[in-house]
Amino acid sequence: NAGVTQTPKFRILKIGQSMTLQCTQDMNHNYMYWYRQDPGMGLKLIYYSVGAGITDKGEVPNGYNVSRSTTEDFPLRLELAAPSQTSVYFCASSYSTGLGTEAFFGQGTRLTVV
Amino acid sequence: AQKVTQAQTEISVVEKEDVTLDCVYETRDTTYYLFWYKQPPSGELVFLIRRNSFDEQNEISGRYSWNFQKSTSSFNFTITASQVVDSAVYFCALSANFGNEKLTFGTGTRLTIIP
Repeated sequence: NAGVTQTPKFRILKIGQSMTLQCTQDMNHNYMYWYRQDPGMGLKLIYYSVGAGITDKGEVPNGYNVSRSTTEDFPLRLELAAPSQTSVYFCASSYSTGLGTEAFFGQGTRLTVV
Repeated sequence: AQKVTQAQTEISVVEKEDVTLDCVYETRDTTYYLFWYKQPPSGELVFLIRRNSFDEQNEISGRYSWNFQKSTSSFNFTITASQVVDSAVYFCALSANFGNEKLTFGTGTRLTIIP
């Protein structure tokens, strides 16, 4: 049971470089999310998607872009990496956003921008 | 605005001791859900429990129990007879009205069980 898979697990970027964090889920979930986790902080929502072709901003979207061309995939794009984007990124999915629906999380991508 | 406070940043207990992780929340919504997630050293987040605002019954699952008290806006988590495998960061989270896109996390409590 793969669940939510994120790649890569670790990455070091130089300031100004770009990269895409990959996320795929095999549970046929409609809803997918990207969170970032900073040291000593809770998770903050970057972007989310309620289905293929539909995305929306979360709490901290600046500096990121997303796309949702298929139900399974929800990549997160960093165009011009900045040190403030050093964080652990989590992708998650859920069957719906019905109140109380649990989200399933990937193992995270640890990104360092130097 | 929603807020979740986990005042305990780090807790260490000796194996087999009981330990309680505190969670205090703030919301103006009358309908909401509370969650606990576990983040083991491997890094992933594992769902433990959810509770809706209309159900204040305590819940027990093996060595885990949860105490939900609306009067004090708290949703505390107790591990009985702790084990080394319980070492992890535990997050409390709140979801109100609009579903997961409004999931608000606390800052987490790092629990270390000393053998």
